[in-house]
Amino acid sequence: AQSVTQLGSHVSVSEGALVLLRCNYSSSVPPYLFWYVQYPNQGLQLLLKYTSAATLVKGINGFEAEFKKSETSFHLTKPSAHMSDAAEYFCAAHNFGNEKLTFGTGTRLTIIP
Amino acid sequence: ETGVTQSPTHLIKTRGQQVTLRCSSQSGHNTVSWYQQALGQGPQFIFQYYREEENGRGNFPPRFSGLQFPNYSSELNVNALELDDSALYLCASSPAPGTTSNEQFFGPGTRLTVL
Repeated sequence: AQSVTQLGSHVSVSEGALVLLRCNYSSSVPPYLFWYVQYPNQGLQLLLKYTSAATLVKGINGFEAEFKKSETSFHLTKPSAHMSDAAEYFCAAHNFGNEKLTFGTGTRLTIIP
Repeated sequence: ETGVTQSPTHLIKTRGQQVTLRCSSQSGHNTVSWYQQALGQGPQFIFQYYREEENGRGNFPPRFSGLQFPNYSSELNVNALELDDSALYLCASSPAPGTTSNEQFFGPGTRLTVL
């Protein structure tokens, strides 16, 4: 069964610094991959998705992620952190033919002024 | 275009009671999925409904049940509530299963507290 691992439950970066949030999937067949953001007391908002087209995916709010099959990874980056980026970030995988999204446990991003 | 809506926003129940949560899917979507997000965890798949039929189920007991209506809105019912059922319940809608990417659009969630 598919599993998604997010390394680092908490990440702190200074405002203006690079943001790097890590995500690895387990399946031998590359799934579709998603990054969602969750602000306090809110639902999930899609940041970006990989669907087997370009391996470098650009999303909203300046985020991007690179799919690397050899590393079974889909890490999320942003060149310059902003205070408004403070939130919980979830990586999720969907294997075609399966109805569900499998989520990682999330990474809480804190921005230091 | 109307997004996914859920009601109620918050709910407090006592152990053993029953609860019904409601979800309206995004316009044009005929598939609804339900997820449970415990505090500090990622969402866990409960089940999915497509054209009023259950189309897949996660590792949840039968006391978690659902319905989908002809207008594609959905209900999640939980019987015999337990303390561990306290969580944020998220509804997500999507186009028909089998379409590419299965992008799911989430509602704001219902926060259920079981005392």
